[in-house]
Amino acid sequence: EVQLVESGGDLVQPGRSLRLYCAASGFSFDDFAVHWVRQAPGKGLEWVSGIGWNSALIGYADSVKGRFTISRDNAKNSVYLQMNSLRPEDTAIYYCAKDITAGWLRFMDSWGQGTLVTVSS
Amino acid sequence: DIVMTQSPDSLAVSLGERATINCKSSQNVLYSSSNTNYLAWYQQKPGQPPKLLIYWASTRESGVPDRFSGSGSGTDFTLTISRLQAEDVAVYYCQQYYSTPLTFGGGTKVEIK
Repeated sequence: EVQLVESGGDLVQPGRSLRLYCAASGFSFDDFAVHWVRQAPGKGLEWVSGIGWNSALIGYADSVKGRFTISRDNAKNSVYLQMNSLRPEDTAIYYCAKDITAGWLRFMDSWGQGTLVTVSS
Repeated sequence: DIVMTQSPDSLAVSLGERATINCKSSQNVLYSSSNTNYLAWYQQKPGQPPKLLIYWASTRESGVPDRFSGSGSGTDFTLTISRLQAEDVAVYYCQQYYSTPLTFGGGTKVEIK
């Protein structure tokens, strides 16, 4: 069974940094791209970032480009999201989601339960 | 960026009746060389993560009931629930994967009338 477990969410002040973690199991991790998708309270879905199987392909939403960095460690079956210069509008549940392909950023067939990031003073 | 616009924002349908959700992209998401539309649909129930329903605009994900169907091409797409069941109450999102940044529609909330 595919499992994606996010962690690292917290309450942080504006301008501070936070690192999110996604631990994957139940599938061949290095055969698939992985994404971060967020959902602000009561709002819709927003794609944040995605990374291909070997980290050669990486993409970001315009709203986080230059502030967030996605990375992965295939030996640890993990994906990370380093979030710097956090803003109140970054407040959201952050979901880790598995792509159906290895080297492309397409759509997500499995999702974690999410981790909550709150940016407030 | 490709903007995805869904309509309506919400709809109430009687049990056993048809629900129709529309999704329009600001640019063509049909890849002409393969004649494939780069469009997916998701269902999100309260307190849960999204669940993949449809991809390539009309291919149902394994395990999804056949009352869910997707259609359309180019810039205009439709998700149809042929006979609404109580467990179909949710918010539905379309997503294009023709180009990055990947983008979602704003969502359509489906309720029971």
